[in-house]
Amino acid sequence: DQQVKQNSPSLSVQEGRISILNCDYTNSMFDYFLWYKKYPAEGPTFLISISSIKDKNEDGRFTVFLNKSAKHLSLHIVPSQPGDSAVYFCAADATTSGTYKYIFGTGTRLKVLA
Amino acid sequence: ETGVTQSPTHLIKTRGQQVTLRCSSQSGHNTVSWYQQALGQGPQFIFQYYREEENGRGNFPPRFSGLQFPNYSSELNVNALELDDSALYLCASSLPSSGANVLTFGAGSRLTVL
Repeated sequence: DQQVKQNSPSLSVQEGRISILNCDYTNSMFDYFLWYKKYPAEGPTFLISISSIKDKNEDGRFTVFLNKSAKHLSLHIVPSQPGDSAVYFCAADATTSGTYKYIFGTGTRLKVLA
Repeated sequence: ETGVTQSPTHLIKTRGQQVTLRCSSQSGHNTVSWYQQALGQGPQFIFQYYREEENGRGNFPPRFSGLQFPNYSSELNVNALELDDSALYLCASSLPSSGANVLTFGAGSRLTVL
């Protein structure tokens, strides 16, 4: 049972254009979400987060939008750069009884074409 | 500030053997989590350690076990290896605080079981 879904395994975008990566979740109790970026042979690195009390969070070229009613979040990268080519994971905070854990989606491989 | 380091980076074992993976947490972090990332999947929570005790476990059998040491470093042990245990094992450290728990990942240990 996949509680966090990233339905697009891959995405190609031209340099300078907008990249939009989508993520859906099923559990309405999730109230904190993170996006991680992963390059080959490296561990995932934290990119940006959003709490359910907000519907948008921005950090430079990266913006995350949260639609709680649709149980959907998206990551926008504007403008996209070749160095953004990586696998992007969204993750939902599934902390219970003091155990801090995240449920990850399967990832979207972004390729930014120069 | 040192990040999370894991060893070994790659290893090959045969079915039925045992393996130990090691992790040094980021300076100042007191909580260590282990995740398994199978090919084409997102990271899956195995368990978490806090104050040298297991503090929550995901859907993994008892042959997956761990330790946390006083310096917050950690080990993941897997007994009776199965082919399906082939995966990237990621260690993540964190310093949980109210409202935020960003995981800092190591580069992972890639295990191949033949």
